[in-house]
Amino acid sequence: QLQLQESGPRLVKPSETLSVICTVSDDSISTTNYYWGWIRQPPGKGLEWIGNISYSGTTYYNPSLKSRISMSVDTSKKQYSLNLTSLTAADTAVYYCARGPRGEDWFDSWGHGALVTVSS
Amino acid sequence: QSVLTQPPSVSGAPGQRVSISCTGSNSNIGAGFDVHWYQQFPGTAPKLLIYGNINRPSGVPDRFSGSKSGTSASLAITGLQAEDEADYYCQSHDKSLSSWVFGGGTKLTVL
Repeated sequence: QLQLQESGPRLVKPSETLSVICTVSDDSISTTNYYWGWIRQPPGKGLEWIGNISYSGTTYYNPSLKSRISMSVDTSKKQYSLNLTSLTAADTAVYYCARGPRGEDWFDSWGHGALVTVSS
Repeated sequence: QSVLTQPPSVSGAPGQRVSISCTGSNSNIGAGFDVHWYQQFPGTAPKLLIYGNINRPSGVPDRFSGSKSGTSASLAITGLQAEDEADYYCQSHDKSLSSWVFGGGTKLTVL
């Protein structure tokens, strides 16, 4: 069964850049069958889609975050990553990585999530 | 404020049927984009419950069903069980925002 695991710093300072990595347990990241996404959830609040990336590196970002986001994929390491710049307290959230079937717009497998706190 | 509107909370007694609405607009649900539903227990990741408006992934009980009409969608749960107590989120695509969007979430309480 597919497992996704988020890793990265849990405390980041305002104005700095957050880097989170998602490690995929199988080889599906190297196929054309899926895309790979990031979703976040501020404490006690709802879900917000951040963006997606394909195995070839094609990205699709949430326009509201697009100016601060970059994503990349490293199929040799079975990893993909999210960078979010110019952090503020409003970026404090649980960051989830998730997988979705190519051509569809839902996520069928999710990581456990990583709580990232933006604070000085 | 979410593009997709859900009631903050719903409740029902064991064995009853409850429904959770997801109201959008002609920019998302009404434009023909599919609606998907996720179930989330406290402290855990969301789990796909319904995809493509009406389809259940393998392992999801048939007590859960989805529907879509016009600019709205609904998740129905029949034979309510205590273990169904969770938060439920709808998700779709919005063409005006060029973005995937989630509803604000609905907390289901089993009385």
